[in-house]
Amino acid sequence: GAVVSQHPSRVICKSGTSVKIECRSLDFQATTMFWYRQFPKQSLMLMATSNEGSKATYEQGVEKDKFLINHASLTLSTLTVTSAHPEDSSFYICSASLTVDQETQYFGPGTRLLVL
Amino acid sequence: DQQVKQNSPSLSVQEGRISILNCDYTNSMFDYFLWYKKYPAEGPTFLISISSIKDKNEDGRFTVFLNKSAKHLSLHIVPSQPGDSAVYFCAASDGAGSQGNLIFGKGTKLSVKP
Repeated sequence: GAVVSQHPSRVICKSGTSVKIECRSLDFQATTMFWYRQFPKQSLMLMATSNEGSKATYEQGVEKDKFLINHASLTLSTLTVTSAHPEDSSFYICSASLTVDQETQYFGPGTRLLVL
Repeated sequence: DQQVKQNSPSLSVQEGRISILNCDYTNSMFDYFLWYKKYPAEGPTFLISISSIKDKNEDGRFTVFLNKSAKHLSLHIVPSQPGDSAVYFCAASDGAGSQGNLIFGKGTKLSVKP
């Protein structure tokens, strides 16, 4: 149980295009979903927290106009990287929590983005 | 199919004793393993890692052991402190060394009681 999927798993795009990444909780309803970006040496940066039906809460330093998050339902959150640039190339991971205290998070398999 | 498994969702330990958190994996191509610690309302932070060419890595109170033949790794915390209470995630890198994609387990909540 508690499976989270991400689609696509890998994407290559040209600079200036937009890329949408989907995060789905397959067998549970997630109260909250989180988006992370992996940096060198495996450090994870929390980008934003999204709750269904409300605006995402972005961490300091994350451009909300560049990383658009839409939490359309209790099982789906999307991250759109707008006007992607090579420096946006990274590994993006989502996680979902089914508890209000957000202690337990179930991670998706991640999406590798390469911007040429 | 879950490739990284943490079969114990929770663990309770007395302060000063050893905490042992376990993790199993299924993919023999994994060559780098990591442990993350997560406090409530915060993102996971990197704790310690181990390459598949080693069987032990130690950093202060934290030691990670890797048993490749059993596809098993464990995190030992000794002595455990109340501040260690958190959710611990095991992660594996999918075959690209320390720069590979991360695959996470579901976490183990550790409670260290004073």
